[in-house]
Amino acid sequence: DAKTTQPPSMDCAEGRAANLPCNHSTISGNEYVYWYRQIHSQGPQYIIHGLKNNETNEMASLIITEDRKSSTLILPHATLRDTAVYYCIVRPGSSNTGKLIFGQGTTLQVKP
Amino acid sequence: EPEVTQTPSHQVTQMGQEVILRCVPISNHLYFYWYRQILGQKVEFLVSFYNNEISEKSEIFDDQFSVERPDGSNFTLKIRSTKLEDSAMYFCASRISMYEQYFGPGTRLTVT
Repeated sequence: DAKTTQPPSMDCAEGRAANLPCNHSTISGNEYVYWYRQIHSQGPQYIIHGLKNNETNEMASLIITEDRKSSTLILPHATLRDTAVYYCIVRPGSSNTGKLIFGQGTTLQVKP
Repeated sequence: EPEVTQTPSHQVTQMGQEVILRCVPISNHLYFYWYRQILGQKVEFLVSFYNNEISEKSEIFDDQFSVERPDGSNFTLKIRSTKLEDSAMYFCASRISMYEQYFGPGTRLTVT
């Protein structure tokens, strides 16, 4: 079962920042937080991951609270193409298999 | 940018028939996966494959399923005797680092 809790849906205005929360209160010390998204019925797409420090890449920023029990994915300037289901996943960094366990995710609707 | 490819994009088969779904992972990747997504449901892990053997499989991956890497490029999922409930999108994924998995566009399997 997924170890994360996400709101089922969110709206965001185009051009504004989208802030997607995730609760992972039972996260273990060796578990990373990963974010993927799925646009329509395409294959999931990796966005970003982090352990305890905040991370930023060309797609998004990841803010992890100091106690690591929650995190926020930030899309700084959302576009219509960012409309998708966003998945927050926790997984051990040293997992041999690397399998991903997906929950229901958050459906982000970016509106013009 | 390298990508995972899958063929066919859509496969229609009759119940009881065998199907083979094909994937070409990214060339230097070492870990390979199959996931499925029944319409309207979450993405589910099926199997992981490394060093020419299954490293982990889910409860879904029963004796009707098998995977193979017949050469240096292809990675296949075979369903021996399809059932109606096998109808789903099947996603192949691969990775080289311990972090990002790269997913293919999926094969939609319809069992009639």
